[in-house]
Amino acid sequence: GAVVSQHPSRVICKSGTSVKIECRSLDFQATTMFWYRQFPKQSLMLMATSNEGSKATYEQGVEKDKFLINHASLTLSTLTVTSAHPEDSSFYICSAGPFNRDFSYEQYFGPGTRLTVT
Amino acid sequence: GQNIDQPTEMTATEGAIVQINCTYQTSGFNGLFWYQQHAGEAPTFLSYNVLDGLEEKGRFSSFLSRSKGYSYLLLKELQMKDSASYLCAVMDSNYQLIWGAGTKLIIKP
Repeated sequence: GAVVSQHPSRVICKSGTSVKIECRSLDFQATTMFWYRQFPKQSLMLMATSNEGSKATYEQGVEKDKFLINHASLTLSTLTVTSAHPEDSSFYICSAGPFNRDFSYEQYFGPGTRLTVT
Repeated sequence: GQNIDQPTEMTATEGAIVQINCTYQTSGFNGLFWYQQHAGEAPTFLSYNVLDGLEEKGRFSSFLSRSKGYSYLLLKELQMKDSASYLCAVMDSNYQLIWGAGTKLIIKP
């Protein structure tokens, strides 16, 4: 199956600093990647759709100047949380897809990044 | 608006059977997914239904009725490791996933 990796898996940073999270597709090319955020005991919330070589499409309410997304290659998308604040502490997950394999439009998820802002 | 409803929490006994329901109202339909998510981990794919009926995969089965906007995930021979959240998601006409809030399944010995 398709493998998506994320780095780092956990990060603690101070308020006001910036943090970059990488999402890589290891054995396939991903023209589209998705960035999600998940707060404790809540469902996944789509933040933005990242398309290789073009600007990301942000969901309503997500600040594009705060959450910078770069999808410079077919295997790498990055999310940079700028001027992080404690309320940005969350579980950030990327995914790639959908792929129409055997009539199954599946998204493949990375393992997630736990961000804690102190 | 688009809406996915599933129970917040369910409890079942090891070895038993549990059915997790999901109802949806979306703009278009390109399939319904069930994902399993253990605490602190990313979701993992369980099933995909795009046609009405039952899809069986080992201990897990998923059912879809498009006319009723309804699906369920059936877990048989429950094991302690099945304790997790189960997320229902529908792919709309734009091929975007609309997520339910998830059902936390607690398995008791």
